[in-house]
Parts: sequence; C-alpha cells; structure tokens
Amino acid sequence: DTEVTQTPKHLVMGMTNKKSLKCEQHMGHRAMYWYKQKAKKPPELMFVYSYEKLSINESVPSRFSPECPNSSLLNLHLHALQPEDSALYLCASSQGRDRVNEQYFGPGTRLTVT
Amino acid sequence: AQSVTQLDSHVSVSEGTPVLLRCNYSSSYSPSLFWYVQHPNKGLQLLLKYTSAATLVKGINGFEAEFKKSETSFHLTKPSAHMSDAAEYFCVVTPFYNQGGKLIFGQGTELSVKP
Repeated sequence: DTEVTQTPKHLVMGMTNKKSLKCEQHMGHRAMYWYKQKAKKPPELMFVYSYEKLSINESVPSRFSPECPNSSLLNLHLHALQPEDSALYLCASSQGRDRVNEQYFGPGTRLTVT
Repeated sequence: AQSVTQLDSHVSVSEGTPVLLRCNYSSSYSPSLFWYVQHPNKGLQLLLKYTSAATLVKGINGFEAEFKKSETSFHLTKPSAHMSDAAEYFCVVTPFYNQGGKLIFGQGTELSVKP
C-alpha cells in the first residue's frame, strides 16, 4: 500500500477561523512533509518531520502550525490565515530523508481563505 | 547549487504519437532524479526515478527516461501518447549532499494530448 490520505479534500475558511488539515500514511515511513502549491507552480516545501520531530521549517509564518502526533499522522493547524494562503496543500512521506528515497504524495487539500 | 530546468512549459501531441518532455539538471555530483505526474486537482504520482543504477529507467504507464551525464539531461519519453497522459509533469532532483529530504522541482511541463 503506497497511499497517503489527506482530509478534508476541500476547505473554505474565514480569516478568523481555526482549522486543521490531516495527513495519514501506513507505509512505515519515518519522514513526512507539508507542501503548498499554487496554481501552475511546483510544490513549495513548508515543513519536514523526521522520526516525529520537526527537522525543517522553511520560514513559514506562524499562522501555520504543524504537528506530528505519531509516526503515521501529520497535522497542519491553521489560524488567522490570509487570502493569499489559498492553495493546494500537499502532504508527502518517504522511508527516510536520504536522497534516494522517493516521496509519496497525498491527493491534497484545496484550501480557500475568504 | 543544484537546479532543474524543464525546457518546455507546454507540449502538445496527438494521441498515438511519441511524447518527449525535456529536463536538464545542474549538479556538481551525481544526483538522484525523479519524474512526477500531476493530474488536475490531484496529488503528485511518481513515474520513475534514477539513483545511479541503470541509466535507462523504466517507469509506470509506459514512460521511461534516460540519464545522460555528459548532457546533464533526464528526458522523459513515451512511445505512444494516450488521452489519459494529459497532465502536468515535474522533473525533480535531490542533490548529492542531501538537504534533509528537500526536493528541487522544475517549473513543470503541461502535456496536452489531442484526439
């Protein structure tokens, strides 16, 4: 099973709301990632977790707060977002962070901030 | 610094004709290279990867790519396009000196397939 699942598929939120995105994998992968993707652009890395610890934060604004409760789950907590944060948010996982390890992507959550 | 250049932002082919999506990379050392495909409003799916083994790499759905070190290229090909191949394709590199799982993406090539 090479599946990464993400919920919800779509999310519309106001600028004062708090919401969370959820990502799950059951491949035993020890690295998990959050990406943001704008239309017609490649994904941009936001966060990397390795063995449930945050290892990379690509200078993401604090209104995005990641969490890795266990090795299979990754959350992204959203608070006080701006309209420019509207995008497709992708989760990915890999066996490790070694350069030969391919990343498996979920279907994404389409986020609209109003 | 490592980088990836996808030479065409858009490629249009007719169904049943060959597909060629071009990718050049810049790296001081032998990189790992990947091709991903993204259908509209979907996540990215791995098509194939090169990690310093065979230079001709076969992937899913009839795609293959050839690593040419002398040309610093990793072009993606398919002998016969199908309508379902219409999607965005990303060439991706991970540098030899791994940066903790970071991927370097090309800007993408949109493939259109005409009936």
